Amino acid sequence: KQEVTQIPAALSVPEGENLVLNCSFTDSAIYNLQWFRQDPGKGLTSLLLIQSSQREQTSGRLNASLDKSSGRSTLYIAASQPGDSATYLCAVSPGNTPLVFGKGTRLSVIA
Amino acid sequence: GAGVSQSPRYKVAKRGQDVALRCDPISGHVSLFWYQQALGQGPEFLTYFQNEAQLDKSGLPSDRFFAERPEGSVSTLKIQRTQQEDSAVYLCASSLVVTTNTGELFFGEGSRLTVL
Repeated sequence: KQEVTQIPAALSVPEGENLVLNCSFTDSAIYNLQWFRQDPGKGLTSLLLIQSSQREQTSGRLNASLDKSSGRSTLYIAASQPGDSATYLCAVSPGNTPLVFGKGTRLSVIA
Repeated sequence: GAGVSQSPRYKVAKRGQDVALRCDPISGHVSLFWYQQALGQGPEFLTYFQNEAQLDKSGLPSDRFFAERPEGSVSTLKIQRTQQEDSAVYLCASSLVVTTNTGELFFGEGSRLTVL
């Protein structure tokens, strides 16, 4: 059974710092991996989608990498801002089954 | 609509009551998913529709949970005889593509259910 783990569970950084969120998954046979952002009381917003054949995707200050063989992905946030404060969720698509989510990393960026 | 719409946003039910949660997916999206998110946890899959066909209901926790999408658009998740452990946020997501594993998912804001 596919399991997704996100480390750390919570992170607090000063504004302007670059940071890395980690995601690991137990079964490397995935079709894609997605990073989502969730604000308190809100739904999920898709940030980046990496297909299994890709190694990274970039959007603005966000960069996500995927190492399928080792079962790892990282989300890099450059020059963090207070508006980046949210929970970041990693999810993998293990095949003809729906997304499996991690528990998320709760990020606080302090002004 | 522009995004996935869910209603009600908040629902308080007494234990034993039946509840119905509605999801309006993005127009034209073929795939529709329901997820359950407990406090401090990631979303857990409940069920998946491709158009009106319910192709996977393996995540429904008990036979008190029932979902339908009769015309391949709006979907309703019904929970009968609610229990306290049903308290969670119920998220609906839709995708343009027909398979579960290649499309980007768009989520609604969820329906927060509290069972007293």
